[in-house]
Amino acid sequence: GAGVSQSPRYKVAKRGQDVALRCDPISGHVSLFWYQQALGQGPEFLTYFQNEAQLDKSGLPSDRFFAERPEGSVSTLKIQRTQQEDSAVYLCASSLGGWRDVHEQYFGPGTRLTVT
Amino acid sequence: AQTVTQSQPEMSVQEAETVTLSCTYDTSESDYYLFWYKQPPSRQMILVIRQEAYKQQNATENRFSVNFQKAAKSFSLKISDSQLGDAAMYFCAYRSAFSGNTPLVFGKGTRLSVIA
Repeated sequence: GAGVSQSPRYKVAKRGQDVALRCDPISGHVSLFWYQQALGQGPEFLTYFQNEAQLDKSGLPSDRFFAERPEGSVSTLKIQRTQQEDSAVYLCASSLGGWRDVHEQYFGPGTRLTVT
Repeated sequence: AQTVTQSQPEMSVQEAETVTLSCTYDTSESDYYLFWYKQPPSRQMILVIRQEAYKQQNATENRFSVNFQKAAKSFSLKISDSQLGDAAMYFCAYRSAFSGNTPLVFGKGTRLSVIA
């Protein structure tokens, strides 16, 4: 595709439900990042993949958050037992190279999650 | 840990005029990258301009330019000949150059309004 895509664009979940957010990076991009953007804030790092390997998950706020990229392309961010504080926009970004990459990160349009 | 501060939550500019958005950052590293991203209501983060810390020359991209003051840890964005399409949230971001494909560290953003 032409850019990074994310689905769904909007998700409303009741407190306690599990949700899965999908990211399709640019074809051939090795690196993939997830960020969380709370209302009125800048994005904050959650986790990083190089191909299928999750090299950094230091930003995941709790063990309810889980991310995977099993075939090194599409990634899924899963949030279990959602809480109101999980309400945010979840942004995915991909870049061309791997660990020594200095290329630009291209962002998707994000998924806005609202937990009621 | 690195931090990025944007002290202007909101700014406005008349169409065709010039506006400067401020950004300061804190780091102990000597090699890094600085970015300005634009986020319109569609939420898609778009790279506006990028500066490598080892370069003394300020980056310029058409109507966008930066004033990079490394000693002062300041990185302001100047938008010349402002257009209605420039209205958006603008985020300043930092990225380490030492540790591989590191995530971006964002400020809280400045909302720019352009008045016709």
